[in-house]
Amino acid sequence: GESVGLHLPTLSVQEGDNSIINCAYSNSASDYFIWYKQESGKGPQFIIDIRSNMDKRQGQRVTVLLNKTVKHLSLQIAATQPGDSAVYFCAEWGGGFKTIFGAGTRLFVKA
Amino acid sequence: EPEVTQTPSHQVTQMGQEVILRCVPISNHLYFYWYRQILGQKVEFLVSFYNNEISEKSEIFDDQFSVERPDGSNFTLKIRSTKLEDSAMYFCASSEPGALTEAFFGQGTRLTVV
Repeated sequence: GESVGLHLPTLSVQEGDNSIINCAYSNSASDYFIWYKQESGKGPQFIIDIRSNMDKRQGQRVTVLLNKTVKHLSLQIAATQPGDSAVYFCAEWGGGFKTIFGAGTRLFVKA
Repeated sequence: EPEVTQTPSHQVTQMGQEVILRCVPISNHLYFYWYRQILGQKVEFLVSFYNNEISEKSEIFDDQFSVERPDGSNFTLKIRSTKLEDSAMYFCASSEPGALTEAFFGQGTRLTVV
């Protein structure tokens, strides 16, 4: 069954504010957790991943936090821009040759 | 910047007909995948392919589906006898050795079965 899911279907933020997108997972055996961004009419685009033995990983304007105690994953986007408007998917990679996607959160950025 | 390309962008077919969706993965990638996304829903894994054979497949990937790498650049998904419920966006993806979690996706082929 599905092991990755998202808390909210939509999130609306003001341009310049920070965004936090949350995700819950149930499969503790996953080796990596991944965030993808999907803009309208396009395929998913890799943003960042985090290995299961880490708590935090930072990228360019993005930070992923992993809380294994409560099986929670979050993506923080700093200084959200209109170009960040998209659907964000959390996903898991369990060491096999596949990525399992959760349901998406649509991020709206208000100017 | 290298990218995964898919053709056609939109395919309309009659129920029961065979369709072939085509993909050109990124040239130095060795792992290839097909995913599908029914409108408004999450992205679902179909199959992964490495070293000229299927590595893993989902329950969706039944006997009606097949994949092939006919030459050094193309990667195809064939649906033998399409059903209405096969209507979806189909994404091809590829990844390189040592970075399996970072899959590069194409723009997708929208398949409409009527």
